[in-house]
Amino acid sequence: AQSVTQPDIHITVSEGASLELRCNYSYGATPYLFWYVQSPGQGLQLLLKYFSGDTLVQGIKGFEAEFKRSQSSFNLRKPSVHWSDAAEYFCAVTLSSGSARQLTFGSGTQLTVLP
Amino acid sequence: GAGVSQSPSNKVTEKGKDVELRCDPISGHTALYWYRQSLGQGLEFLIYFQGNSAPDKSGLPSDRFSAERTGGSVSTLTIQRTQQEDSAVYLCASSFIRGGLETQYFGPGTRLLVL
Repeated sequence: AQSVTQPDIHITVSEGASLELRCNYSYGATPYLFWYVQSPGQGLQLLLKYFSGDTLVQGIKGFEAEFKRSQSSFNLRKPSVHWSDAAEYFCAVTLSSGSARQLTFGSGTQLTVLP
Repeated sequence: GAGVSQSPSNKVTEKGKDVELRCDPISGHTALYWYRQSLGQGLEFLIYFQGNSAPDKSGLPSDRFSAERTGGSVSTLTIQRTQQEDSAVYLCASSFIRGGLETQYFGPGTRLLVL
């Protein structure tokens, strides 16, 4: 069965530092990949997505992610974190073929930003 | 334009009561999803509607849960005889599928507390 792993439950970084959030997936077929962010009491906001093509994708708020097929990874990065980036981040995957279109989510990574 | 909206934003109910949660998708989006977010289980898929096709109910946890989508737009998720374990945030998402590619946009969620 497909699965998504976010190995880091909680990450703390200082404002201005770089950030990398890890995501690994286990799928039999080529997946479509997404990162969403959730602020407290809010819904999920799409940061970026990968369908095909260039494996480095740019998203909103200065985030980027790189798809590495050989490592089954889709890690999220930001070169300089802002205090407003504190939130929970979810990696999600769906199949690129077939009728099952629902997202399978990782367990999330909570990001704390220190001043 | 307007995003996905959900109502109510918060709902407190007593064990054994029925509840109805509403989702208004983005205009023109043909696909609609319900997910549940709870502390113990993370984000879980519940049900998926696509156009006039029969819904994919494979994620519904029990027969107390049902959903309908009227006129291909608004959806209602109904939970009968609520239990304390139903307490969670219920998220709705809508999408438009083009060329097999799809991005889901989420509403703010309904926070359900069963006492």
